[in-house]
Amino acid sequence: AQTVTQSQPEMSVQEAETVTLSCTYDTSENNYYLFWYKQPPSRQMILVIRQEAYKQQNATENRFSVNFQKAAKSFSLKISDSQLGDTAMYFCAFLYNQGGKLIFGQGTELSVKP
Amino acid sequence: ETGVTQSPTHLIKTRGQQVTLRCSSQSGHNTVSWYQQALGQGPQFIFQYYREEENGRGNFPPRFSGLQFPNYSSELNVNALELDDSALYLCASSPPRGAIDEQFFGPGTRLTVL
Repeated sequence: AQTVTQSQPEMSVQEAETVTLSCTYDTSENNYYLFWYKQPPSRQMILVIRQEAYKQQNATENRFSVNFQKAAKSFSLKISDSQLGDTAMYFCAFLYNQGGKLIFGQGTELSVKP
Repeated sequence: ETGVTQSPTHLIKTRGQQVTLRCSSQSGHNTVSWYQQALGQGPQFIFQYYREEENGRGNFPPRFSGLQFPNYSSELNVNALELDDSALYLCASSPPRGAIDEQFFGPGTRLTVL
């Protein structure tokens, strides 16, 4: 069975600084997708960034980038130039077949401090 | 384009009662997934509906059931409510297979069982 682990329950960062959130996963599949979702206090889950396992190049979306290490089964999220609006719960999620179920980690609560 | 909507926003029930939660999928999406998110946890997959048929189920008892309608909206029904059913229930819709694999989440329904 696939599992996703986020070992950092809480993190904080100063505004404009860079922070990295960690995620590891376990699977025997070769083709899958990985996601980082953001859930602000208003609770609507929003996709931050996605990575297809067959792509070697790390995904980047503006201030958000990932470090995808397939052999190590690691998928970390780097947030550059942190902003107050980045304060939220961040969930790492795994999807092993298109249209299938998302498997989420336990979440990391990120606080961006002014 | 209207996003995923859920109703009601909040709900309070007593143990043993039954509840129905509703979800309207995003325009053009034909797949709906339901997740249960306990306080401080990541979402857990309940089941998925594709073209009005159940298309995968997580580790939830049969008292959790669902429907999908021809317009792809969906209902989650929970019978014989238990205290542990208190959670945020998230609905997510996905575009037709072959399109992007992203799941778009609604704002959730907060269920409290007393």
